[in-house]
Amino acid sequence: GAVVSQHPSRVICKSGTSVKIECRSLDFQATTMFWYRQFPKQSLMLMATSNEGSKATYEQGVEKDKFLINHASLTLSTLTVTSAHPEDSSFYICSASKTGAWDQPQHFGDGTRLSIL
Amino acid sequence: GESVGLHLPTLSVQEGDNSIINCAYSNSASDYFIWYKQESGKGPQFIIDIRSNMDKRQGQRVTVLLNKTVKHLSLQIAATQPGDSAVYFCAETLYGGSQGNLIFGKGTKLSVKP
Repeated sequence: GAVVSQHPSRVICKSGTSVKIECRSLDFQATTMFWYRQFPKQSLMLMATSNEGSKATYEQGVEKDKFLINHASLTLSTLTVTSAHPEDSSFYICSASKTGAWDQPQHFGDGTRLSIL
Repeated sequence: GESVGLHLPTLSVQEGDNSIINCAYSNSASDYFIWYKQESGKGPQFIIDIRSNMDKRQGQRVTVLLNKTVKHLSLQIAATQPGDSAVYFCAETLYGGSQGNLIFGKGTKLSVKP
């Protein structure tokens, strides 16, 4: 299989709080992991590509200082939403592929529902 | 039938019928296509994929058809079950492209009536 685990599944916190989301590949090593954001009834939007041992690559319009990504090992990437505000409320989803090849599917975690009050 | 508007396109089918979900992809140079199923509150789940050198691929109860001439991808689900109710996304990427260049379609909501 190709299991990706994401934690926590849901977070509710006050404005100004920083929130860390973990993404783990449980049964394979992932050199590259991806972070997406999804608004209700919309498709997934890629935020950044997380590379083990190097800096993440952010998509245009995504603030790197706002969304800190760390890929400390081949099985773990973290996304930290710093000083979160209500507009950061969303569904955040990570994914990973076994090989990183262009013609292999990405496998997704079950997402984190972030609600900022 | 299908409806398109401010919400996700929705396809309603009767349990046991076959479902066909369509996707018009954007880039004629795309080489690899994937169908994902997303249930409410969960992440997308891989269903089936196809490379551009094929026009049909079958899995368990699912078939993907690719028509590169009109940039059209479809997912056929045989004997649709209530558990198939979800939002289905097609995704495309380019040969040799970065894995992150996985472009998702807008999604179609499949509702299965018992």
